[in-house]
Amino acid sequence: AQSVTQPDIHITVSEGASLELRCNYSYGATPYLFWYVQSPGQGLQLLLKYFSGDTLVQGIKGFEAEFKRSQSSFNLRKPSVHWSDAAEYFCAVAPTDSWGKFQFGAGTQVVVTP
Amino acid sequence: DTEVTQTPKHLVMGMTNKKSLKCEQHMGHRAMYWYKQKAKKPPELMFVYSYEKLSINESVPSRFSPECPNSSLLNLHLHALQPEDSALYLCASSQEGPNQPQHFGDGTRLSIL
Repeated sequence: AQSVTQPDIHITVSEGASLELRCNYSYGATPYLFWYVQSPGQGLQLLLKYFSGDTLVQGIKGFEAEFKRSQSSFNLRKPSVHWSDAAEYFCAVAPTDSWGKFQFGAGTQVVVTP
Repeated sequence: DTEVTQTPKHLVMGMTNKKSLKCEQHMGHRAMYWYKQKAKKPPELMFVYSYEKLSINESVPSRFSPECPNSSLLNLHLHALQPEDSALYLCASSQEGPNQPQHFGDGTRLSIL
C-alpha cells in the first residue's frame, strides 16, 4: 500500500540550533514530493518541492530538503532555527500517474525554545 | 498573504442550519480542492474540481455539497451537520497535473453546536 511516514510526532529544538525533519514514503514509483508548514490558525504554506534532477532542493525561509532514492526519504533541514519556525510541518506526496490526491504525512510539531 | 481567500474565517452553526463556505483564487488555477482538518491531524481530501467539474469525491456525506460556479470560485454548502463535523475546512488550488503544488487558504474554523 502507498504510504508516507513522518516518524517524529514532536521535536523540540533550541533557537539557533539545526533542525532535521524526517519523511519516508512507500510508492511503486518515486512520487512527487512536497514539504508544507502550518502555523497556528493558518493554512498550509509550501516550503519546497521535488520532481526530478538535483537531489538537494532549496526552499523558502532557509529550508532545504534532500531526496534519497535508496532510502525512500525526503528529509527537511534548516541550519539555524528561529523562534518563528515553531509550527506543524507536513510532508506530502503525489503519485506520478494521477493527480489531485496528495497524501500527507501525520505531521511533525516543532517547538523552539529560547 | 495567502493568494487563496476563504470566508468566513470562523463559523458557528446549529445542526439544523444551512450555511456556505466560500473560496476564491485569482491565480488562474483550474483545479480546486476542499479539505477537512481536525486538530493535530493532516488535512483530509474531500472534493476536487477540475475545470469546474467535480472529479473526485472522497465518499463525503451528502450533508456537504460542493459547487464551483466559475474557475475562480469554490463553495461548500453545509446542511444538517453533526458535531463531529467541527473542524478547519481548507480550500486549495493548483494548476492541473500531478507535479503541481497546491496553494492553500487560511481556512474556515467551523463549530457545530
